[in-house]
Amino acid sequence: DTGVSQDPRHKITKRGQNVTFRCDPISEHNRLYWYRQTLGQGPEFLTYFQNEAQLEKSRLLSDRFSAERPKGSFSTLEIQRTEQGDSAMYLCASSPPRGSNMNTEAFFGQGTRLTVV
Amino acid sequence: SQKIEQNSEALNIQEGKTATLTCNYTNYSPAYLQWYRQDPGRGPVFLLLIRENEKEKRKERLKVTFDTTLKQSLFHITASQPADSATYLCALKAAGNKLTFGGGTRVLVKP
Repeated sequence: DTGVSQDPRHKITKRGQNVTFRCDPISEHNRLYWYRQTLGQGPEFLTYFQNEAQLEKSRLLSDRFSAERPKGSFSTLEIQRTEQGDSAMYLCASSPPRGSNMNTEAFFGQGTRLTVV
Repeated sequence: SQKIEQNSEALNIQEGKTATLTCNYTNYSPAYLQWYRQDPGRGPVFLLLIRENEKEKRKERLKVTFDTTLKQSLFHITASQPADSATYLCALKAAGNKLTFGGGTRVLVKP
């Protein structure tokens, strides 16, 4: 396991279409985060999973966004009826369980760059 | 409102000099603060963590300070190299489970 893996790396879609991104965290990490990042800005928190439970969700996340982590391993982020404002880099990160040696560090994937045209 | 501010202007520095980046925050009481490096088109990579009861942390050519009275962290890259050119992000862990990031400062080290 070499790190957090995200798929696809790039996605171009037409406005109004639905898109789904996948994140495979580091295998022993039970905590998983989704962030969104636009050009020149820092990552913006979207949602957090501990195992399969979605424990925290940003108020900025509209109803068009949904995330799942059905078996506590990989996660998906779906955006329905995409808008041009959804164009951004979507980053996934994972962390080991609390109490482990490096439980505070977040390991990020390479991101999925979404362009809505 | 809560804010994390980093200098949005790029920092241009000569190779061998020390780069100093600032992270200021308001209306947070962070348990710890982290610094990440991000290269274009890639995800952030963790560099250093400093806790609220620590004043300074070092790792190789990197040094971080944390002043909870001033609500400020300074990040230093000593003996800078062109390979240090990247965007550097500070992130706070306060209440809840998430890290909240600043906007990042781009560093360009010229040979």
